[in-house]
Amino acid sequence: GENVEQHPSTLSVQEGDSAVIKCTYSDSASNYFPWYKQELGKRPQLIIDIRSNVGEKKDQRIAVTLNKTAKHFSLHITETQPEDSAVYFCAASWQTGANNLFFGTGTRLTVIP
Amino acid sequence: DGGITQSPKYLFRKEGQNVTLSCEQNLNHDAMYWYRQDPGQGLRLIYYSQIVNDFQKGDIAEGYSVSREKKESFPLTVTSAQKNPTAFYLCASSTGTAYLFGYTFGSGTRLTVV
Repeated sequence: GENVEQHPSTLSVQEGDSAVIKCTYSDSASNYFPWYKQELGKRPQLIIDIRSNVGEKKDQRIAVTLNKTAKHFSLHITETQPEDSAVYFCAASWQTGANNLFFGTGTRLTVIP
Repeated sequence: DGGITQSPKYLFRKEGQNVTLSCEQNLNHDAMYWYRQDPGQGLRLIYYSQIVNDFQKGDIAEGYSVSREKKESFPLTVTSAQKNPTAFYLCASSTGTAYLFGYTFGSGTRLTVV
C-alpha cells in the first residue's frame, strides 16, 4: 500500500512569513494529492489538491507543488496569518484501486502574531 | 454543519463495554470511511465501505466492527476487544472516486474510557 511521510511535525512562523510543509509518497501509481486543514476541535477540510498532470497549483496565498520523479509534494502558505494556525494533513491516492486516501501524520502550524 | 453528521460528540465507555458511534450522510456518497486520530499519529483507517452491504478492513480494524445496511449510514462499534479505544474518531464520505473530489469529513466523536 501507499506510505505517506510528512515533515515537519510542528512549525512555528511569524505572521507574514511563509510556511512550507513537505510530503513524500511511496507508490508511483498515486496521482491525486489533497491537503486538509484541521482547526482545533473541528473537522478536516480540503483546502487545495493537485493531480499528477500538473506540477503546481495556486489558490490565493496557498500553493501546492508536485515532483512526480522524486515522489514528493509540498504545501506553501505565503503571508501567513494567525487564522492559518491549524494542523495540516497531506494525502495521496490513485485512480484505480480502493479509492482510499492515505494520510500523512500531520503538521501543527502555529502563526505567531 | 450539513452533509455528514457524527454523534455523539463526546462518548464515555466503561471497561468491557461495547459502544456504537453514529455516522450519517445526506450527500448521496457511495463510499464511507472511519478513521482514528491519536496525537502525533495522523489519521489511521479503521474500516471503509465502497457500497451498501460491503465493507473492508483498514489498517487498524482489530477491536472494531461496522455495518452498511443503508447508503446514508455507516455506524462503528468499538468492542471490548479494543484495548486502547480512547481517541478521536472521524467519519468521512466520498463519491466513490476519492481521487476526483477527496473526502468530506464529519465533525468527529471523542471517545474516552473511564
